[in-house]
Amino acid sequence: DQQVKQNSPSLSVQEGRISILNCDYTNSMFDYFLWYKKYPAEGPTFLISISSIKDKNEDGRFTVFLNKSAKHLSLHIVPSQPGDSAVYFCAASDLSSNTGKLIFGQGTTLQVKP
Amino acid sequence: EAQVTQNPRYLITVTGKKLTVTCSQNMNHEYMSWYRQDPGLGLRQIYYSMNVEVTDKGDVPEGYKVSRKEKRNFPLILESPSPNQTSLYFCASSLSADSYNSPLHFGNGTRLTVT
Repeated sequence: DQQVKQNSPSLSVQEGRISILNCDYTNSMFDYFLWYKKYPAEGPTFLISISSIKDKNEDGRFTVFLNKSAKHLSLHIVPSQPGDSAVYFCAASDLSSNTGKLIFGQGTTLQVKP
Repeated sequence: EAQVTQNPRYLITVTGKKLTVTCSQNMNHEYMSWYRQDPGLGLRQIYYSMNVEVTDKGDVPEGYKVSRKEKRNFPLILESPSPNQTSLYFCASSLSADSYNSPLHFGNGTRLTVT
């Protein structure tokens, strides 16, 4: 049973436009959410995170929005750049479990066209 | 350079032949973990270790063993590999199990094929 879902396997946007990547979760115990970015032949790298006590977190061109009632989060990239082309994984954590375990979505492949 | 190093990067083996994938980190991290990535399933945790000599099962531990004899090393052992263990494996580490204060740092992955 997939507790974290990224329903769009791929997304293509034009350079300079906004990229919106979506993620849904089912477990109400999740209270911390992260986005990781992965280039081919490399491991995932941490991008941005958000705690369940917030509804928005911004870091430069990257903003993550959290809608707890809908159990939905999204990553906005503005403006998108060709170097942003990668696979993006959404991940969730139950901090109270103290296991450090992250539950990942399936990933969304973003292509930013010049 | 701070990093998590996995070896080998690519491995092709046959069913039943024991193998070990090594993982080493140079960041003095207490927490280490192994994940496998499969198409349509994302990354799933195999095992984790809170500190030296402390390990525990993740979501998909069957067919795997780990050990944590030293802080920096966390090898993944497949005693009798089977084709369903063909996957992309990632080792990761962080300061602690507290994701809020210490995001996971991942290695570059080991692609394993079991025939």
